[in-house]
Amino acid sequence: DARVTQTPRHKVTEMGQEVTMRCQPILGHNTVFWYRQTMMQGLELLAYFRNRAPLDDSGMPKDRFSAEMPDATLATLKIQPSEPRDSAVYFCASGWTGGQFFGPGTRLTVL
Amino acid sequence: AQKVTQAQTEISVVEKEDVTLDCVYETRDTTYYLFWYKQPPSGELVFLIRRNSFDEQNEISGRYSWNFQKSTSSFNFTITASQVVDSAVYFCALSLGGGSEKLVFGKGTKLTVNP
Repeated sequence: DARVTQTPRHKVTEMGQEVTMRCQPILGHNTVFWYRQTMMQGLELLAYFRNRAPLDDSGMPKDRFSAEMPDATLATLKIQPSEPRDSAVYFCASGWTGGQFFGPGTRLTVL
Repeated sequence: AQKVTQAQTEISVVEKEDVTLDCVYETRDTTYYLFWYKQPPSGELVFLIRRNSFDEQNEISGRYSWNFQKSTSSFNFTITASQVVDSAVYFCALSLGGGSEKLVFGKGTKLTVNP
């Protein structure tokens, strides 16, 4: 049963600290997405990659967020420095034309 | 630009009632894909269905059914004989490339099924 995996599942950190979230997409899916879910904004796209190349990161605050895909089995989302307004659930998803499937999310709390 | 509207913020029903969740979308593209996801209290997003713009046939999967009408730009979701386990937030979404393009989500409808 192929699934998208994400680590960590929960992260509590203090303002100013670096946060790194990791995602392992489903093998064979060529597109990987990072979404953020908040009560105010709902689900919004941060960035996505196809065949490991970044396609769109217009949803990310560029000064503090960065997304990379060092290999086909790993995508990372980094926040440095973190701020309280970054508190949210961050979802990774992988997809092909047939569908888009989400990981369990990382719940980030920045104090 | 694409837009998805789920006008119903919250719906509450009693078990065994039928319930329909509305989804209206906007796009100027002729090729697009519509999705429904379920987000139970545990928080994960569960893929339910993907439908492309060229296929207007209604779909049924067990107690779930979907009605796609291009004339009204709607892709509504009906749960027949609802159960407590159906309690969740349901999201409608649209993309221009199946699962390999970004999803634009509606705000979601929170469904509560009471015993």
